[in-house]
Amino acid sequence: NAGVIQTPRHKVTGKGQEATLWCEPISGHSAVFWYRQTIVQGLEFLTYFRNQAPIDDSGMPKERFSAQMPNQSHSTLKIQSTQPQDSAVYLCASSLDGGQNTLYFGAGTRLSVL
Amino acid sequence: GDKVKQSPSALSLQEGTNSALRCNFSIAATTVQWFLQNPRGSLINLFYLVPGTKENGRLKSAFDSKESYSTLHIRDAQLEDSGTYFCAAEAGNRIFFGDGTQLVVKP
Repeated sequence: NAGVIQTPRHKVTGKGQEATLWCEPISGHSAVFWYRQTIVQGLEFLTYFRNQAPIDDSGMPKERFSAQMPNQSHSTLKIQSTQPQDSAVYLCASSLDGGQNTLYFGAGTRLSVL
Repeated sequence: GDKVKQSPSALSLQEGTNSALRCNFSIAATTVQWFLQNPRGSLINLFYLVPGTKENGRLKSAFDSKESYSTLHIRDAQLEDSGTYFCAAEAGNRIFFGDGTQLVVKP
C-alpha cells in the first residue's frame, strides 16, 4: 500500500498560468478530500468527493478553482489563471468512507506562483 | 480555525518529560482525529476517536463530546516527537482543523 500519492511534489507557475494537481487515493477508499495549507490560514478545507461524486465544495474559491474525480483511482484539482495568493501546499486525503473514518494524507503539492 | 481551538500554539519540552495538548470545539463534533505533521510536511494520523479514550505507546488521547474538547497526552517525550500536532473534528460532512501546536523536544 503506497498510501495517498500526490503529483507533482512541487510546481512553479507564472502568474496567469494554469496548474493541475493530481491525487491518487488509497485503493479501496471511497472518499477523497482536498485541503490547502498556508502559514496564515492554516489547513483549509476545499472540497470532498465520495464514490467519485462531489459532496461538498463549499471551501473552493468560486472562481478559477475546480476539482474532478473522473474515476476511483484519481482526483484532480485545477487552478486557472493562477495568482500569487494561490501559493500554498495542497493536500489530498482519502478515507474508507466519507463518514467517520480515519483520514490518510498524501505528502502534498507545493505550488509556487511567481 | 475558529471552530477548533488548539492550545498551546507552541510548546518546548525537555526530553523525557510529559505534556498535554488540548482542542476545544465550538461545533458539535462527532469524531476527533489527531495528526502529527513532521518536518518533511507529511501529516501522520495518530488517533481516530469517537467519545472516549485511546492509547498508543507513549501517546494517549481523550475526546469528551459533551464538554466539547479533546486532549493528547505525550509521555516521556522523545526528540522524534517534534513537529506540529493538529486536531481535527468532524461535524456533519465536514472535518475542521485547528491551527496546530508546534512542539519542540530538546535533548
